Amino acid sequence: GQNIDQPTEMTATEGAIVQINCTYQTSGFNGLFWYQQHAGEAPTFLSYNVLDGLEEKGRFSSFLSRSKGYSYLLLKELQMKDSASYLCAALSKYGGKLIFGQGTELSVKP
Amino acid sequence: DAEITQSPRHKITETGRQVTLACHQTWNHNNMFWYRQDLGHGLRLIHYSYGVQDTNKGEVSDGYSVSRSNTEDLPLTLESAASSQTSVYFCASSETLLDRGGNGANVLTFGAGSRLTVL
Repeated sequence: GQNIDQPTEMTATEGAIVQINCTYQTSGFNGLFWYQQHAGEAPTFLSYNVLDGLEEKGRFSSFLSRSKGYSYLLLKELQMKDSASYLCAALSKYGGKLIFGQGTELSVKP
Repeated sequence: DAEITQSPRHKITETGRQVTLACHQTWNHNNMFWYRQDLGHGLRLIHYSYGVQDTNKGEVSDGYSVSRSNTEDLPLTLESAASSQTSVYFCASSETLLDRGGNGANVLTFGAGSRLTVL
């Protein structure tokens, strides 16, 4: 079976740090993606993890633990423009399909 | 610049009508996908293709069909539109990204979306 869970909503303050968690159960797991989606727009690629550990890209970092079926996206020095939905997606090696969670709506307040 | 375009961006139709949503990419990607996005469900895979003449069903394929006659296009057809198919539809194509272990994974690039309303 395939199941991806992430919180529906989160709120954080400008300048702060926020961590968005994602747990997954996917047959034939082959990697974990994070996408950002602003309201009314298309999702855009943020990060990809296939090995355990932390991948850092500027203000954004993503972590993966394959043994725990767990990932998180860390956003530092939050800006108002970071208000968006953050989508966790697991890649299945069976057919190479990307399965998405429902997304976490992040609101950044002044 | 290479891009992926969807048309129409907005469509209103009636129950029972046939509707086709176009997707055209100039990335020369072999892999193309159609997703629908609804509140409470996130992005769900409808159909996908790994190359010309190849099509595969996703998790919510009932009532939809696709065809792949060339690399650039993957049109999505609703044979007889139903109100349950009111949604935002995203087309995507993918390229291979190498991770630090040298493994390849396909990174999706999405089109801007097509909002379909079935009355």
